[in-house]
Amino acid sequence: GQNIDQPTEMTATEGAIVQINCTYQTSGFNGLFWYQQHAGEAPTFLSYNVLDGLEEKGRFSSFLSRSKGYSYLLLKELQMKDSASYLCAVMDSNYQLIWGAGTKLIIKP
Amino acid sequence: SQTIHQWPATLVQPVGSPLSLECTVEGTSNPNLYWYRQAAGRGLQLLFYSVGIGQISSEVPQNLSASRPQDRQFILSSKKLLLSDSGFYLCAWSRLAGGYNEQFFGPGTRLTVL
Repeated sequence: GQNIDQPTEMTATEGAIVQINCTYQTSGFNGLFWYQQHAGEAPTFLSYNVLDGLEEKGRFSSFLSRSKGYSYLLLKELQMKDSASYLCAVMDSNYQLIWGAGTKLIIKP
Repeated sequence: SQTIHQWPATLVQPVGSPLSLECTVEGTSNPNLYWYRQAAGRGLQLLFYSVGIGQISSEVPQNLSASRPQDRQFILSSKKLLLSDSGFYLCAWSRLAGGYNEQFFGPGTRLTVL
C-alpha cells in the first residue's frame, strides 16, 4: 500500500530552526510537495522536489532523497505566523497526490 | 490570474438531508479538478477527480457523487447525508495530467452533519 509518515506535532521557539521529516512508500514517484495549512484554511503550496537535494526558498528549504524515500522541510528564523500544519504529499505513478496527515507546528515566544 | 471559488463556506445539515457543494475555476481552461475531504486533525482524502467535462473518477466508495457539467465547474452531491460526512471539503485544480502538478485549493466548505 501507499504510505506517507510525518510527526503529528512539533513545538519550536520563535527565531529558532525546525526540521519536519516525511518518509514515504508509494507506487512510483513523480515528485514531492510541501504545503502549509493554517487552521481552518485551505493548504497553500510551499515547495516541490523531484530530484535529490536541497531546494531553498527564503526561510524555507526542502530536501529530498529518493533512494531513502525521505524528505524534510526546514524552517529558519521561525515567526509566530509559521504556526500551522505542514502537509507532505507525493505524486505517484498515476500522477495523483498521496497526502500525509500533516505535522502541526506550534511556535512559542 | 487563476482563482477558484467554493460555496458555501460553512454548512450545517441534518442527517438524511441532501447536499450540493459547488466549485468554479476562473482564468484557466480544461483544468484537472479535485474534491478532497479533511477530517479534523487529519490529512486530505481524495474523493473525486476529473480530467474533463463528464469525466469523473471516484477514489472512495461512499454516498457522495460528483459531476462536472461545465469545463470549470465541479459539483459534489449527496442524496442523504450521514454523520460521518462531516468535515472540511476542499476543491482543487491543477494544470497538467502529468509532470509538475501543483494543486491550487479553494477556500473550503466546513460541513457539519447533525
